[in-house]
Formats: sequence, structure tokens, C-alpha cells
Amino acid sequence: KQEVTQIPAALSVPEGENLVLNCSFTDSAIYNLQWFRQDPGKGLTSLLLIQSSQREQTSGRLNASLDKSSGRSTLYIAASQPGDSATYLCAGGGGSEKLVFGKGTKLTVNP
Amino acid sequence: EPEVTQTPSHQVTQMGQEVILRCVPISNHLYFYWYRQILGQKVEFLVSFYNNEISEKSEIFDDQFSVERPDGSNFTLKIRSTKLEDSAMYFCASSELGQGRGYTFGSGTRLTVV
Repeated sequence: KQEVTQIPAALSVPEGENLVLNCSFTDSAIYNLQWFRQDPGKGLTSLLLIQSSQREQTSGRLNASLDKSSGRSTLYIAASQPGDSATYLCAGGGGSEKLVFGKGTKLTVNP
Repeated sequence: EPEVTQTPSHQVTQMGQEVILRCVPISNHLYFYWYRQILGQKVEFLVSFYNNEISEKSEIFDDQFSVERPDGSNFTLKIRSTKLEDSAMYFCASSELGQGRGYTFGSGTRLTVV
């Protein structure tokens, strides 16, 4: 059974800092790994999808990596901005229709 | 950009009552999902729906839950007899590709059972 863990639960950084969010999963037979952003009271916005044959994906200031052998994914945010403040969720897919989510990292970027 | 639309945004119901949560997926998507998030907890998978039938469901999705695509645009989640522990944010999602790829989530319906 896939379990997804995210550390830290909360992170506060000054504007402009580069930061890394961590996600670990228990089942290395992961089909894909996704990072989502959740704003308070809002839905989930897909940020990056890494398929099992890939090791990383980039979109603007965001870069996500996947290391299946160690059961880890990281989301790197460059030059953070106050608008990046949100909860970041990672979710693993095992090839079925179900995504297994972590509890998220709440990021606060201070001006 | 295409959106998944959910209504209502907030619903309050009495314990034991039936509720129907409504979703309009993106028009060319073929895979539909319901997830829920109890306050302070993880987002949990409930059910997936493809080709007019349930393709996968979780242990949470018991006989009290049902889903339906009554027409070409709506996708609904029905809870027959609500319990206090059903209070949560319910998210609908749709995907063109399936298998956990290319999800678009709606903004959710906050269900409060009193």
C-alpha cells in the first residue's frame, strides 16, 4: 500500500530564497508523481507531473525530480515570491486511477 | 483555460439527510473522479468513473455513496444518509488521459453535516 509523506509540514522563508520541498513514498513501483498547489479554500492546481520514465520536470521557477530507487521526490522553487505562499501537495500514482496524496507542506514566503 | 465546476461551494445538511454534490467536468475529458479532504487531513481518493461505470473505488466509498453521469455534462456524487464524519471538502476532478495523469480539479464543495 502506497504511503506518501511530506517534510516539513510548514516552512517560512524570506522572499527571494531558493527552497526545496521533500516528498517520500513507500512503494517504488510508482507510475507517476505529481506536485499540486492548494490555496486556502480552493481546489488543487497541478504544477508538475513526472512520469516513471522521467527523472525531472521543469516549469518556470519550479523543478521537480523523482528518484524511484530512494523513494523520494523534491520540488525546487527558485527565487521565491510572496505569491508562492500556499500548501504544496505531492501525490503518487501506481498506474491505476487512484492518486495517493501526502499531507502537504505549507509554505509562507515573507516580503 | 477550461475548468471543472463544482456546485454548491458550501452545503450544510442534517445528519441522516441525502446530499448530491454536482460537478461539470471539462468537456473533452473521459475520466472523472471524486476525492475528499477532511479538515487537517490528507486528500483521499473516493472513486473513479470511466465509460459510464465505476473503474475504481476506495474503502471509503461504501454503499452510502454513489456516482452518476446523468447527462453528457454533469457528474454527481450522492451520499444517501449523511453522518457527521462525512463533513469534508469534496473535490471533483477530470482527466483526458487517465491513470493519474493530467488531472484538473474543481474548487471543491465544503460539506458540513450537523
